[in-house]
Amino acid sequence: QSVLTQPPSVSAAPGQKVTISCSGSSSNIGNNDVSWYQQLPGTAPKLLIYEINKRPSGIPDRFSASKSGTSATLGITGLQTGDEADYYCGAWDNILSAGVFGGGTRLTVL
Amino acid sequence: EVQLVESGGGLVQPGGSLRLSCAASGFTFSSYWMHWVRQAPGQGLVWVSRIFNDESNTNYADSVKGRFTVSRDNAKKMMYLQMNSLRVEDTAVYYCVRVTFAGSGYDFWGPGTLVTVSS
Repeated sequence: QSVLTQPPSVSAAPGQKVTISCSGSSSNIGNNDVSWYQQLPGTAPKLLIYEINKRPSGIPDRFSASKSGTSATLGITGLQTGDEADYYCGAWDNILSAGVFGGGTRLTVL
Repeated sequence: EVQLVESGGGLVQPGGSLRLSCAASGFTFSSYWMHWVRQAPGQGLVWVSRIFNDESNTNYADSVKGRFTVSRDNAKKMMYLQMNSLRVEDTAVYYCVRVTFAGSGYDFWGPGTLVTVSS
């Protein structure tokens, strides 16, 4: 059981937009930065978004994120078949004094 | 270019020990907090441990507290994870991860090393 809650799967057609939610609590998302990761099959995760909505160099602006209260959302526009992957949200939890992740969301581009 | 490379994984019996190493290059290692994150086969990401840049503070997931110890050698640009009293449920790929300077995300990941605990 993950501390952060994500939907197990989402799907959309190429060119469309999809959102992935991440729900937490005041001890994690509510008072700390949320980050998002993409994990392609057989590879290590890659940072997509940090400090709520900043993108590392090389990450296209098709990826964006937002936060409201104890929830966060990742948005991906202009979906491509190469976006098919597992997506994770992450944050620090002040009560647990530990990092926490969502259970991951598998994106299928139909 | 930032690089993180883990080593030391392998097959170990329940109750055994392993020491994982992470070799860092391409950045000022001594300036960054570092973490270990693991992923059991077919499962999601699970945070394991954190160490401050100067070793002044460490944190552990409840599931490994008292069994795992994280350390680092800034002069050698190395981080370690000593894993004792290993359990079957510790089987996973272990990733060495760097945190952004502001501590707001894991910006570089190693390729991971597989630890299999089985009799």
